[in-house]
Amino acid sequence: DIQMTQSPSSLSASVGDRVTITCRASQSISSYLNWYQQKPGKGPKFLIYAASSLQSGVPSRFSGSGSGTDFTLTISSLQPEDFGTYYCQQSYSIPITFGQGTRLEIK
Amino acid sequence: QVQLVDSGGGVVQPGRSLRLSCAASGFSFSSHAMHWVRQAPGKGLDWVAVISYDGSNEFYADSARGRFTISRDNSKNTVDLQMNSLRVEDTAMYYCARGASRIVYAFDMWGQGTVVTVSS
Repeated sequence: DIQMTQSPSSLSASVGDRVTITCRASQSISSYLNWYQQKPGKGPKFLIYAASSLQSGVPSRFSGSGSGTDFTLTISSLQPEDFGTYYCQQSYSIPITFGQGTRLEIK
Repeated sequence: QVQLVDSGGGVVQPGRSLRLSCAASGFSFSSHAMHWVRQAPGKGLDWVAVISYDGSNEFYADSARGRFTISRDNSKNTVDLQMNSLRVEDTAMYYCARGASRIVYAFDMWGQGTVVTVSS
């Protein structure tokens, strides 16, 4: 199975800050990497697919990069509604696996 | 309205069975693979199973294989998860999720979830 490791596990940032979350795969997954945002009590929201493609309707302050084993999710200017937990997920092979999540708190 | 509505959760004793259902509306259901993903209380996301758009292929996580069965009815726009021999560690919120059009193994829409509690 491909293991996905995110860092940090949690972070606190201020409105307007640039925030970066990293995700590392235990083996190369090319660009088969997706990102989700989950808010308490809700199902996840699809943000980015194929490492860097923005899902329709997602604000342009979100961006993704990387390939192979190392990936990043960046929020260019943090907004109050961006709080929640962020997950990376590999879609390279079955079983599909997720990172453990990064909890983002707004200061 | 484009949505997935999950149902069927509840409290069940270890070793018993439960059947979850997900009703889809507002999109071409038969064009998409469908998944079940679960989340134990306070934990991260854990993929369970996928069924292809036409029901011809199914894949399972190791934790589900041999105990859970995913199925779909494209005439009713539903996808089910039959869970047998339930264990305490199966306790979780279970989400139905739609496979993305461009990336089958990504999830571009999620249900609201249904809670399964396995306890004696």
